[in-house]
Amino acid sequence: EVKLQQSGDELVRPGASVKISCKASGYTFTNYAMYWVKQSPGQGLEWIGTIIPLIDTTSYNQKFKGKATLTADKSSNTAYMELSRLTSEDSAVYYCARVHRYNLYVMDAWGQGASVTVSS
Amino acid sequence: DIQMTQSPASLSASLEEIVTITCQASQDIGNWLAWYQQKPGKSPQLLIYDATSLADGVPSRFSGSRSGTQYSLKISRLQVEDIGSYYCQQAHSNPDTFGAGTKLELK
Repeated sequence: EVKLQQSGDELVRPGASVKISCKASGYTFTNYAMYWVKQSPGQGLEWIGTIIPLIDTTSYNQKFKGKATLTADKSSNTAYMELSRLTSEDSAVYYCARVHRYNLYVMDAWGQGASVTVSS
Repeated sequence: DIQMTQSPASLSASLEEIVTITCQASQDIGNWLAWYQQKPGKSPQLLIYDATSLADGVPSRFSGSRSGTQYSLKISRLQVEDIGSYYCQQAHSNPDTFGAGTKLELK
C-alpha cells in the first residue's frame, strides 16, 4: 500500500521557519516525483513545487521561490519542505503528493496534510 | 498563469441525481486536466486525469469530458459517499493551477 506520512501540525511565530516531512512507503521512492501543495481558505489549492528525488531536481512555482525549499533524503525515503520567513499568509494546510509515474502532473497519492499556523 | 474558472461554487443534489461540475480554462490546455475529490477533513483524491481517463479504483459513475477549453466532471448517479469538494487542476503551463472548488452537498 502506498502511504505518505506527513509530520504533525505546527504552531510557529512570525518570521520563523518550519520544516515539514513526508515519509513515503509502499513504493520505490526514487521512481516518482513529489508535488507539494498548499491549501488555504482564501487561496484554495496552490502548487508550490516539485522534487524528483532520483536526481535531486526541483521546480518551483514562481510565487513560492524564496519561500519554500524542497529536499529529499533517499536513504530514508523522505521528502521535506522548509518554509521560511513565515507570515500569517503562510497559515495553511500543506500536502505532499506522489506524482504519477507516466502522467507527470497527476497526483495519485496524497499525504494526510500538515497544518501550519503562524501566530505570535 | 492560466486561470481555471470552476462552477458552480456549491451544489445541492439528491441521491441518484446526475451532477455536473465544469472548469473553464483561460486558454488552451489540451487534455492536461485532472479532477480531484476531497471529502470533509481528508486529503484530495484523484478521480480523472488527461481530461477523460478514470483513475484506478474510481467508480464508473464518474466521468470526464472536454469541449474546447471547457472541462466537465459528471457523476451519473449521486451516492452519499460522493459528498465533498471537487477541484480541477491544469498542468499545461507552469505553474499548475486549480479551480476554486465545488462543494457538493446532499439535498
